[in-house]
Amino acid sequence: TQLLEQSPQFLSIQEGENLTVYCNSSSVFSSLQWYRQEPGEGPVLLVTVVTGGEVKKLKRLTFQFGDARKDSSLHITAAQPGDTGLYLCAGAQGTSYDKVIFGPGTSLSVIP
Amino acid sequence: DVKVTQSSRYLVKRTGEKVFLECVQDMDHENMFWYRQDPGLGLRLIYFSYDVKMKEKGDIPEGYSVSREKKERFSLILESASTNQTSMYLCASSLRKYRGTEAFFGQGTRLTVV
Repeated sequence: TQLLEQSPQFLSIQEGENLTVYCNSSSVFSSLQWYRQEPGEGPVLLVTVVTGGEVKKLKRLTFQFGDARKDSSLHITAAQPGDTGLYLCAGAQGTSYDKVIFGPGTSLSVIP
Repeated sequence: DVKVTQSSRYLVKRTGEKVFLECVQDMDHENMFWYRQDPGLGLRLIYFSYDVKMKEKGDIPEGYSVSREKKERFSLILESASTNQTSMYLCASSLRKYRGTEAFFGQGTRLTVV
């Protein structure tokens, strides 16, 4: 049973557009992470959120952790071709890393 | 620069072969992990290790074993490879700390079992 759902599964947009991808669960997480994975490479951590309602910004990327710590969103402003990749959310249910669960990912393609 | 290195990028093996996937990290991390990644399923944890010679089963350990004889090296073993083990395998390491420790991933090994 997959505990983390991500939507949309695929997204193709033009350069300069804004987009939001979502990570949802019925479970509560102690922390949530977003990774980006480029083709042929391993995932790279973008951000970790730990407090319900927390908002973090990383240049054109804005991450939000839901108040109930069950969901998260990633908003990209003025997308660029370099943003292309698979975006994975990962939730930790305990206090140690070994309880991390990954979502299936959103595959983003930004067309020049 | 931190680094997790997997021994092969691409591997083709025959059904029934014993397969070894090697992973080395240079960050002195306590935790090491093996995941497999399949389209639409995300990353699924096979095994993890939180110390030398220590190992714990993940969500899908069947058909796999692991070895951690040294802190920097974590090996995944397919005792008798089968076609349903064709997948992308990712190794990761992290510091042992609570709440949001960062995982560093290798570049992945794409294994095909024929």
